[in-house]
Amino acid sequence: AQTVTQSQPEMSVQEAETVTLSCTYDTSESDYYLFWYKQPPSRQMILVIRQEAYKQQNATENRFSVNFQKAAKSFSLKISDSQLGDAAMYFCAYRDLRAGTASKLTFGTGTRLQVTL
Amino acid sequence: SAVISQKPSRDICQRGTSLTIQCQVDSQVTMMFWYRQQPGQSLTLIATANQGSEATYESGFVIDKFPISRPNLTFSTLTVSNMSPEDSSIYLCSAREDLNTEAFFGQGTRLTVV
Repeated sequence: AQTVTQSQPEMSVQEAETVTLSCTYDTSESDYYLFWYKQPPSRQMILVIRQEAYKQQNATENRFSVNFQKAAKSFSLKISDSQLGDAAMYFCAYRDLRAGTASKLTFGTGTRLQVTL
Repeated sequence: SAVISQKPSRDICQRGTSLTIQCQVDSQVTMMFWYRQQPGQSLTLIATANQGSEATYESGFVIDKFPISRPNLTFSTLTVSNMSPEDSSIYLCSAREDLNTEAFFGQGTRLTVV
């Protein structure tokens, strides 16, 4: 079974600084997607960024970028120029493409990010 | 992406009772899902809601405890039956328009069982 591990329960970053959140996963599949979701206090899960496993190029979305290391099964999220609004729980998630499981998301345990002035 | 409205947003219920949570999407979607997020924990998939047929439950979740309906392509309900304090969680509805798009989520229902 696929597993997703986030080893940092909490992280803190100063406003305007850069922070990296870690995620590792385990799978025997070669084709899959990886995601970072943000959950602010409003509870709504917001998709931050998506990475297709077949792409070597790391995904970027404005201030958010990933470091995808397929061989190491590592998928970290870098937030640059951190803002107060970035404070939230961040979940790493995995979805593979096998028939019957292609729609399921497997989530990590989350990292709570605190942004300080 | 489409928007999910989930009701109620929170509730406090007596043990032994049941609560039905509604999930309304503002456009037709292929797939709908129900997740549970226990306090301080990650999201766990309860089941996939299938339109016009029985839901597909994940290991550890059963229909008698979590009956699900999906009468059409925009609406689903999850019932938490015979509740106990261990059912206190956030329940989130999620949907995908099709296999080529990513899941989006409602704001969740915070359930407290006393």
